[in-house]
Amino acid sequence: DAKTTQPPSMDCAEGRAANLPCNHSTISGNEYVYWYRQIHSQGPQYIIHGLKNNETNEMASLIITEDRKSSTLILPHATLRDTAVYYCIVRSQTGNQFYFGTGTSLTVIP
Amino acid sequence: DAGVTQSPTHLIKTRGQHVTLRCSPISGHKSVSWYQQVLGQGPQFIFQYYEKEERGRGNFPDRFSARQFPNYSSELNVNALLLGDSALYLCASSPEGQGSHGYTFGSGTRLTVV
Repeated sequence: DAKTTQPPSMDCAEGRAANLPCNHSTISGNEYVYWYRQIHSQGPQYIIHGLKNNETNEMASLIITEDRKSSTLILPHATLRDTAVYYCIVRSQTGNQFYFGTGTSLTVIP
Repeated sequence: DAGVTQSPTHLIKTRGQHVTLRCSPISGHKSVSWYQQVLGQGPQFIFQYYEKEERGRGNFPDRFSARQFPNYSSELNVNALLLGDSALYLCASSPEGQGSHGYTFGSGTRLTVV
């Protein structure tokens, strides 16, 4: 599975959009991009995943570049409860594990 | 509908002891995975079981073992505990083996080895 690179930390003002970047330049054609988040002392929570098209659900939007070498997770209206560590993971559908890395610690500021 | 449940939530063990951690997946989920999360790091894959068979194993010593029962619940066993085994142990379940739509994680068991 390809490796990912994320900034270690980011801040976002409450009510504004939070844009979390992820680089995955070695991604291969059958690998998906997954995003999870982990709020302090809880288990990771699935957010969204995609292959090459942009995806949106009730939690977030996932924008994947045309060359698929990077992606951005967008939380459209960040709240204090979105403060968490966000993990970008690349994995094939036949893979049986997720490589979490160290993620981006997002702090939403009042 | 209950999520993934893990027990106990916290425990303290002494070096050299043995520990058993338990996980009940979401009803209908047949795959269970175990992860170890050391403070300040992301979770690391230990095992995956699907339909009671081991489907994957991470880079962990043989002191770590696991099994899955007919009701799809699972146990993680760690023998000869070391101080470095202190971590949050997470269990995740999915309906099928590949977890193509993501895994659902429990809140974990916090193990402290003294």
